[in-house]
Amino acid sequence: QQQVKQSPQSLIVQKGGISIINCAYENTAFDYFPWYQQFPGKGPALLIAIRPDVSEKKEGRFTISFNKSAKQFSLHIMDSQPGDSATYFCAASSRTSGSRLTFGEGTQLTVNP
Amino acid sequence: DAGVIQSPRHEVTEMGQEVTLRCKPISGHNSLFWYRQTMMRGLELLIYFNNNVPIDDSGMPEDRFSAKMPNASFSTLKIQPSEPRDSAVYFCASSAPDRGRFGQYFGPGTRLTVT
Repeated sequence: QQQVKQSPQSLIVQKGGISIINCAYENTAFDYFPWYQQFPGKGPALLIAIRPDVSEKKEGRFTISFNKSAKQFSLHIMDSQPGDSATYFCAASSRTSGSRLTFGEGTQLTVNP
Repeated sequence: DAGVIQSPRHEVTEMGQEVTLRCKPISGHNSLFWYRQTMMRGLELLIYFNNNVPIDDSGMPEDRFSAKMPNASFSTLKIQPSEPRDSAVYFCASSAPDRGRFGQYFGPGTRLTVT
């Protein structure tokens, strides 16, 4: 019940296109859903996050869509750029889990020029 | 402002040897996390400390792994004896007071290869 399932495992998008990465969870106690971005040879970095009291959060070209009833959330990257090529991880946490984050399996995004 | 510092960046060792990974968190941060990343298991939390005290070590795989945080600016993760299946990238992360799960800053990682 602590798992977060992420798909697809890899994604190839053309420059200017929309990248969509999906995550699903089971634990209804999860109340914080961040996305992390990881470039090769670097540690993950917090990209954007959402709480379940809103259905969408947008920061620049990055948008999280959240569906509480379906227990799903997704990351949309608009106007994808080659510089967005990285591995993206969704994560989830709950108040009862302290500072523990449960990560999805990761999606390797490649944006072709 | 310096980020999380990890050393060494790469470590190659033989099976059975002791390995010590080091981490210096961001100044002022009071929570420190050790993660392991592999292709098979993804990103796993091994242990985290709050104010130098271990809070959750449920992710530590077995007794061969141990972690310490003797002060607010230094932590170690030790593997003794090391095994080939320990080969992975180990990340240290830190977070500011009351930020815990809301803002974890990761270091560059230590790539460990056990032959």
